[in-house]
Amino acid sequence: ILNVEQSPQSLHVQEGDSTNFTCSFPSSNFYALHWYRWETAKSPEALFVMTLNGDEKKKGRISATLNTKEGYSYLYIKGSQPEDSATYLCALPFFNKFYFGSGTKLNVKP
Amino acid sequence: EAQVTQNPRYLITVTGKKLTVTCSQNMNHEYMSWYRQDPGLGLRQIYYSMNVEVTDKGDVPEGYKVSRKEKRNFPLILESPSPNQTSLYFCASSLSLGTGGLGYTFGSGTRLTVV
Repeated sequence: ILNVEQSPQSLHVQEGDSTNFTCSFPSSNFYALHWYRWETAKSPEALFVMTLNGDEKKKGRISATLNTKEGYSYLYIKGSQPEDSATYLCALPFFNKFYFGSGTKLNVKP
Repeated sequence: EAQVTQNPRYLITVTGKKLTVTCSQNMNHEYMSWYRQDPGLGLRQIYYSMNVEVTDKGDVPEGYKVSRKEKRNFPLILESPSPNQTSLYFCASSLSLGTGGLGYTFGSGTRLTVV
């Protein structure tokens, strides 16, 4: 079993605030890291797949960084909007299985 | 449209009555998987398949069966459902395990209640 931890568990911000959250994982046997966005009553949607140490990915106001040597990834949201409210999951493949963190639930107040 | 089609969306059944949740993808993905989502426990992998006729257990396989006779289909079978299998289920597919493609594409989910 791969221990994937996400923090914080939940986050409440005001519209326009920038925010970030963390995904931590064991640095040995790293293969790839995925970020997903999961809106209530919908299915998770892939945001990024990251593989290389130092990788940075960006999609609109959302970006992510990866540090495989110390075992963490950050997800940043710049200028949060109410439509960014969702649970953000990270996940890693490990010996053919796939392990998800428990997610960070973001609530953006107008 | 590239998608994972999962049916049914909602299902209420009685203990012991066999059921199948279907999953089909149209993206020629090799890797397919089933997850259950329970409050406070996150997404847990039930079974996965690396390719046709290649399936293996995830972390919570007890009480479930799967098959992969064709690349596009990966049904989840509950031979004798029990109330502790009440959960939200997701099927997902991916081009590869991790480094290739765009990550998982998820089905719309099946809310199963076993009474």
